[in-house]
Amino acid sequence: AQTVTQSQPEMSVQEAETVTLSCTYDTSESDYYLFWYKQPPSRQMILVIRQEAYKQQNATENRFSVNFQKAAKSFSLKISDSQLGDAAMYFCAYRSLRDSNYQLIWGAGTKLIIKP
Amino acid sequence: NAGVTQTPKFQVLKTGQSMTLQCAQDMNHNSMYWYRQDPGMGLRLIYYSASEGTTDKGEVPNGYNVSRLNKREFSLRLESAAPSQTSVYFCASSREWASGGSTDTQYFGPGTRLTVL
Repeated sequence: AQTVTQSQPEMSVQEAETVTLSCTYDTSESDYYLFWYKQPPSRQMILVIRQEAYKQQNATENRFSVNFQKAAKSFSLKISDSQLGDAAMYFCAYRSLRDSNYQLIWGAGTKLIIKP
Repeated sequence: NAGVTQTPKFQVLKTGQSMTLQCAQDMNHNSMYWYRQDPGMGLRLIYYSASEGTTDKGEVPNGYNVSRLNKREFSLRLESAAPSQTSVYFCASSREWASGGSTDTQYFGPGTRLTVL
């Protein structure tokens, strides 16, 4: 079964600096999707970025980018020019394209603190 | 365009009581989901509805039932609440189910915090 591990329960960064959140996963499959979701204090889960495993190019969305290392099964999120509004829980998630029910498998989350 | 809405936002139940959590989406999505979120854990899928008229069990379905009332609405029912069901519940929707493309990206509601005493 697939698993997703976020080894950093909490991270902090100075406003305007860059921070990287780690995510590793375990799978025997070659086709899958990876996601980063943000959960601010309002609790709503918001999609930050999505990566298709077959794409070698790392996904980017404005200040958010990923470092996808397929062989190492690593999927880290880099936030550049951190802003106070980036403070939230960040969840990494995996979705199989071959599993019978295509469920999202979630990591336990990393709490990101932005220091003004 | 409200996206995914959930009611209520907060609820306190006594053990053995029943209740229904409501979820609605206005994005014309085909697929809908119910998750629970417990401290220190990622989301866990309770039930999902790949399309109108179908529902299937997820990872943790015991103690819950669902109804896909129509394309917009997907409710979650606790028939006899237990303290172990104290959690935050999220509803989500996606345009398609397992399409292999961006259309299966999930969009979440604001959550319901449920406490069972």
